[in-house]
Amino acid sequence: DAGVIQSPRHEVTEMGQEVTLRCKPISGHDYLFWYRQTMMRGLELLIYFNNNVPIDDSGMPEDRFSAKMPNASFSTLKIQPSEPRDSAVYFCASSLALTGGTPQHFGDGTRLSIL
Amino acid sequence: GENVEQHPSTLSVQEGDSAVIKCTYSDSASNYFPWYKQELGKGPQLIIDIRSNVGEKKDQRIAVTLNKTAKHFSLHITETQPEDSAVYFCAASMNTGNQFYFGTGTSLTVIP
Repeated sequence: DAGVIQSPRHEVTEMGQEVTLRCKPISGHDYLFWYRQTMMRGLELLIYFNNNVPIDDSGMPEDRFSAKMPNASFSTLKIQPSEPRDSAVYFCASSLALTGGTPQHFGDGTRLSIL
Repeated sequence: GENVEQHPSTLSVQEGDSAVIKCTYSDSASNYFPWYKQELGKGPQLIIDIRSNVGEKKDQRIAVTLNKTAKHFSLHITETQPEDSAVYFCAASMNTGNQFYFGTGTSLTVIP
């Protein structure tokens, strides 16, 4: 089975440019999560969706960040305008909605560098 | 909200020895505790998980123990091998929302 697919794997761009990160969750999964990972702050949850609806975006750093999930098989995380401090690895994860807890399955991330 | 603490932050062991990583959580409503292994350049991968109705779970060289009263859980890796070298994360989750609260990670190095 295909896992969570993220694109691009690497992105290098200049400050002020718009950046769009993409994620395809595992088919049939109800939840989708966006995380950011840095050495200083570890894994931070940015936003998560349930059945394509944003549930909690309290982790989104500021208005420059936005996320959408137009359908069950696709989500985007957009940064506009980008800043050097946005440089990090961004992960997407998906999971089923079952009581008692279910594992989140992570993609291999997008390494973002803002110059 | 939930707060998960993880210790140690770095751990070096000789090949063949055991490694233990410990986590504590704050919210007694947490009932699902997964452990993830992250290799360089990869996303975290689930290696084992435990639910609150179980005290211990084993999968070959990996085991997890849970003490609900003390609100802590631990990862045990026996007969460590160089390929066990990675960063390990614990997490806690409650029934609602499936949001995970991650620990800060443990960088494990297995010395050949």
